[in-house]
Amino acid sequence: QQQVKQSPQSLIVQKGGISIINCAYENTAFDYFPWYQQFPGKGPALLIAIRPDVSEKKEGRFTISFNKSAKQFSLHIMDSQPGDSATYFCAAGVGDDKIIFGKGTRLHILP
Amino acid sequence: KAGVTQTPRYLIKTRGQQVTLSCSPISGHRSVSWYQQTPGQGLQFLFEYFSETQRNKGNFPGRFSGRQFSNSRSEMNVSTLELGDSALYLCASSAAGTRNNEQFFGPGTRLTVL
Repeated sequence: QQQVKQSPQSLIVQKGGISIINCAYENTAFDYFPWYQQFPGKGPALLIAIRPDVSEKKEGRFTISFNKSAKQFSLHIMDSQPGDSATYFCAAGVGDDKIIFGKGTRLHILP
Repeated sequence: KAGVTQTPRYLIKTRGQQVTLSCSPISGHRSVSWYQQTPGQGLQFLFEYFSETQRNKGNFPGRFSGRQFSNSRSEMNVSTLELGDSALYLCASSAAGTRNNEQFFGPGTRLTVL
């Protein structure tokens, strides 16, 4: 019940296309859903985060869509660029101070 | 403001040995969390320290332990190393805790157990 399931494991998108990564959770107590971006040799960095009282949040080319009833949330990267090639992690906050991460999606944008 | 620093960046140990990893959080941050990252399991939460007290713990055996000092610096210790402990160990700091507060990750320590 504490798991966050992320798909796909890897994704290849043409430059200019839309990259979509999906996550699903079971624990309805989750109330904080961040996305992290990780480049090789670096630690993850917070990209964008959403709370369940909002169905969508947009920051530049990055959008989180949240479906509370389906217990799913997704990251959309519009106009994907080669510089977006990285590993993306969804996560969910539960309890007092604990975050559960998905297993990651390796995204590759073709130039 | 300096970011989260971790030392050493790379470490090679043999089975049965023990290892200590160090993490210096961003100045003013009181919470430090540790994660194990492996290709198969992703990021797994080890524990979180806040004001020198362990506040949260993940599902790892007792061989994994940590502590936090009064200056918020944290160390993680793994005793009796096993091959499966080979991983990237990340620490993250935040102002007040992982929930609802942005976590800032360090570059990690790559541990290889032979």
